[in-house]
Amino acid sequence: AQKVTQAQTEISVVEKEDVTLDCVYETRDTTYYLFWYKQPPSGELVFLIRRNSFDEQNEISGRYSWNFQKSTSSFNFTITASQVVDSAVYFCALSLGSGADGLTFGKGTHLIIQP
Amino acid sequence: DAGVIQSPRHEVTEMGQEVTLRCKPISGHDYLFWYRQTMMRGLELLIYFNNNVPIDDSGMPEDRFSAKMPNASFSTLKIQPSEPRDSAVYFCASSFGTGGYGYTFGSGTRLTVV
Repeated sequence: AQKVTQAQTEISVVEKEDVTLDCVYETRDTTYYLFWYKQPPSGELVFLIRRNSFDEQNEISGRYSWNFQKSTSSFNFTITASQVVDSAVYFCALSLGSGADGLTFGKGTHLIIQP
Repeated sequence: DAGVIQSPRHEVTEMGQEVTLRCKPISGHDYLFWYRQTMMRGLELLIYFNNNVPIDDSGMPEDRFSAKMPNASFSTLKIQPSEPRDSAVYFCASSFGTGGYGYTFGSGTRLTVV
């Protein structure tokens, strides 16, 4: 069975600092997809990014960037110049190419950005 | 598209009562998932459907939980009888195909059983 580990339960930084959220995954499948979701205080799950196992290119979207390294089974998420609005719980998740089992989520990292 | 629609947003019920949560997936999506979120267990998959057929219900905690998908545009998750430990946020999600096209989540139903 697959597993996603987010070792950082909570991170607190001051606004404008850069912050990296770690994600380590386990799966025996060679085809899989990795995701990051944001859950703001309002509670909804907001999709941020999807990556397939064959594409290790890093991605940047504005202040957000993602680093996918198959060698270490990691898919880390960095926020540059953090803002108070980035405060939320962030979930890393994995799904298999077969679709079996849907999304397996990590426990989440609660990110607090202090003004 | 209006996205995945869940109702109600909040539900407070007394222990022993029947609770029904509803979900309307995105039109054209062929997979539907029900997740439960609690502080202790995080986000866990309860059951999922493909083309209205239940594929895997191994995450359903007990026989008190049941889910149906009578057609492509509607699904229900029922708890009968409800217990305080069922208090959680229940999310519905839908997707087109498996994994690669992403999953869209509803806003969730916050269930409180007193």
